[in-house]
Amino acid sequence: GESVGLHLPTLSVQEGDNSIINCAYSNSASDYFIWYKQESGKGPQFIIDIRSNMDKRQGQRVTVLLNKTVKHLSLQIAATQPGDSAVYFCAENVDYKLSFGAGTTVTVRA
Amino acid sequence: EAQVTQNPRYLITVTGKKLTVTCSQNMNHEYMSWYRQDPGLGLRQIYYSMNVEVTDKGDVPEGYKVSRKEKRNFPLILESPSPNQTSLYFCASSFTPVQGQPQHFGDGTRLSIL
Repeated sequence: GESVGLHLPTLSVQEGDNSIINCAYSNSASDYFIWYKQESGKGPQFIIDIRSNMDKRQGQRVTVLLNKTVKHLSLQIAATQPGDSAVYFCAENVDYKLSFGAGTTVTVRA
Repeated sequence: EAQVTQNPRYLITVTGKKLTVTCSQNMNHEYMSWYRQDPGLGLRQIYYSMNVEVTDKGDVPEGYKVSRKEKRNFPLILESPSPNQTSLYFCASSFTPVQGQPQHFGDGTRLSIL
């Protein structure tokens, strides 16, 4: 079946730098995409979402970009902080079901 | 406080002994779902429910049952647990499953089946 995947399982970032986390999806019927952050011992926490009729959406320190031509989604975190260390998941919504990628572990270096 | 509550948070049990993981949400959400999380596989959907008395299979439903008798509760039942069901389980809810309605997750239940 089709699935969502992340390009890299780990990402190490210097504090203060910008982070970019990538995600590739293969289901062209996906109409809604979400980024979640999961800290150790907790459930996934909503960060930002984007509908398929948009290319870009900004939140507080985060931006999600959607490129439907190449089925690619990215999450940009500005001025990465130690509290941003976590596992990040992208998810796509198709037919009332949410499919998740395997996750990228982001480690912020002081 | 708006939340999704799962119980128990941790459980070690033996093969074949029926168990139930409860999930309750206080946000009046229509949609509820169960996921399992395994290393390298992300979260995979087990079952979901669009509303009371409406449930449907997700991607990995084998060995699990659910029920939705009330809007706020969505228990996950393992009738005869096996070691391959050892995993971290999450319950989630949202108003509707359509776009613009992100799911809210509980803090997880870690099950170990010996």
